[in-house]
Amino acid sequence: SQQGEEDPQALSIQEGENATMNCSYKTSINNLQWYRQNSGRGLVHLILIRSNEREKHSGRLRVTLDTSKKSSSLLITASRAADTASYFCATDFTGGGNKLTFGTGTQLKVEL
Amino acid sequence: DGGITQSPKYLFRKEGQNVTLSCEQNLNHDAMYWYRQDPGQGLRLIYYSQIVNDFQKGDIAEGYSVSREKKESFPLTVTSAQKNPTAFYLCASGWRGGSDTQYFGPGTRLTVL
Repeated sequence: SQQGEEDPQALSIQEGENATMNCSYKTSINNLQWYRQNSGRGLVHLILIRSNEREKHSGRLRVTLDTSKKSSSLLITASRAADTASYFCATDFTGGGNKLTFGTGTQLKVEL
Repeated sequence: DGGITQSPKYLFRKEGQNVTLSCEQNLNHDAMYWYRQDPGQGLRLIYYSQIVNDFQKGDIAEGYSVSREKKESFPLTVTSAQKNPTAFYLCASGWRGGSDTQYFGPGTRLTVL
């Protein structure tokens, strides 16, 4: 089964609002990454957070990691229509053989 | 212009035929990966390679084959043994074995008729 599960599966918000999506995983990790995918395109790396970090920021993105709850959240502030995409978490879990395991993704739609 | 390229963007094949998807990178990355994505789903790892002339099976390797004869290239062959080959195929590369950022190509959409 896939390591990461995103919640919600789909999210629709108005431009200017904040968007929060969550990722839960099952076993201990070395790091967790978030990727974005526009429809029919490849994935683009957004941010990586290591297991000893609790929070990271990159522009309008804020990622938190709670290893005790085995969960992470991605917050996009002041969303724009161009943020409409699918967002995936990916985990490099301990003993996983140096490869990433992707979740099922959250589809975000930002409406004007 | 550095990056990772996949060709073709769209591919149509008849059932029972083998087909090879191309993946090339000029980022000097050691590691390369092939993923399959079905509609509304996440990515599933097919094969990966951390060094030239070596590769490992991922979670869904059955019906697929790969080679890694050059650092820049990691072609994927979808064989007739793959029961449900119609999908979106993504290639990625990275500096180390998966624990760091992966860089993705634009994908190939394969439709088997």
